[in-house]
Amino acid sequence: EAGVTQFPSHSVIEKGQTVTLRCDPISGHDNLYWYRRVMGKEIKFLLHFVKESKQDESGMPNNRFLAERTGGTYSTLKVQPAELEDSGVYFCASSQEPGPWETQYFGPGTRLLVL
Amino acid sequence: KNEVEQSPQNLTAQEGEFITINCSYSVGISALHWLQQHPGGGIVSLFMLSSGKKKHGRLIATINIQEKHSSLHITASHPRDSAVYICAAHLGGATNKLIFGTGTLLAVQP
Repeated sequence: EAGVTQFPSHSVIEKGQTVTLRCDPISGHDNLYWYRRVMGKEIKFLLHFVKESKQDESGMPNNRFLAERTGGTYSTLKVQPAELEDSGVYFCASSQEPGPWETQYFGPGTRLLVL
Repeated sequence: KNEVEQSPQNLTAQEGEFITINCSYSVGISALHWLQQHPGGGIVSLFMLSSGKKKHGRLIATINIQEKHSSLHITASHPRDSAVYICAAHLGGATNKLIFGTGTLLAVQP
């Protein structure tokens, strides 16, 4: 069974440009999470999808970030326009069910560098 | 101040040593997760616990709910244990977010 995949693995863009990150969860996992780690800081929650619905988007930093999960399968996270402070590693995770006892399976992350 | 604090931030040990990584949290939790990330690798879940102790191979996780403190122990450490170890608090209830510590970078030297 394939794990969580993310694309691209790395992205280098200039300030003001747009970048779209993609996450493919494990097949059958309704719950999809986006997290971000900026340099030297802890990983922080961005949002949680249940199927195609945003269950919790309290961690989204501002309206330059737009997450979608059309059809409840893969998800995209678009940053437009990108700023220097958006640099970091963006992780996606998925789980079959929500809840504190559900293992979240993480993707390898997308390393974003905004110059 | 982070809601989840880990110590130490960096740890170097000799092969065979007993290792302890600490995690303190200031929020009410439903579960405390320990995760591992090898260099260049993905994040994998090691343990989820809300009371007592769990053991898997040479890894042991303990938690004291009253003191809001958890520890991850590695017995007979090996160079392949070198990784970043991260604790994360799951708040439960209506939210399913994990609140992460900054991680502990462990290097086990042969």
